[in-house]
Amino acid sequence: AQSVTQPDIHITVSEGASLELRCNYSYGATPYLFWYVQSPGQGLQLLLKYFSGDTLVQGIKGFEAEFKRSQSSFNLRKPSVHWSDAAEYFCAVATDSWGKFQFGAGTQVVVTP
Amino acid sequence: DVKVTQSSRYLVKRTGEKVFLECVQDMDHENMFWYRQDPGLGLRLIYFSYDVKMKEKGDIPEGYSVSREKKERFSLILESASTNQTSMYLCASSALDRGLNIQYFGAGTRLSVL
Repeated sequence: AQSVTQPDIHITVSEGASLELRCNYSYGATPYLFWYVQSPGQGLQLLLKYFSGDTLVQGIKGFEAEFKRSQSSFNLRKPSVHWSDAAEYFCAVATDSWGKFQFGAGTQVVVTP
Repeated sequence: DVKVTQSSRYLVKRTGEKVFLECVQDMDHENMFWYRQDPGLGLRLIYFSYDVKMKEKGDIPEGYSVSREKKERFSLILESASTNQTSMYLCASSALDRGLNIQYFGAGTRLSVL
């Protein structure tokens, strides 16, 4: 069965520092992968997606993610974090042609001054 | 921009009440989804619908039902609310975008069952 693992439940990072959020997936075929962000009290907003081609994908808000098939990973990065990046981040994989997703448990990011 | 609107941001209901959560999307999307979100568990799929009057169970359908009478509206129904259904409920819709289904989410409804 498909699964998505986000090993870090909680990350604290200083403003201006770099950020990397880990995501590992288990999926038989070529995966369609996504990162979403959820600000407090809000729904989920799509940051970026991968389905083929260049393994380094750029998203909104200065985020990027790299797909590594050999490691079954799709880690999210940002070179310099802003206080507004404090949020919960979810990795997801599309699991069938109907567009169903399997989500990871999420990583809560806290940004300190 | 895609807009997915959930009718209530916060709801407080009593045990045993019948509860309706409404979701409307304005982009003519075929697929719609209901999730519940709990700390440490991420999003879990309750039901989804790929067409009007069509529905499929997700991972945790027990205690819930859904209705999709019109393409733009997808309702989640708690037949008899229980305290363990206190949660954040998220609605999403999706359509193919260059061969890829992308889900767009509403702001969520935080339901408390007392």
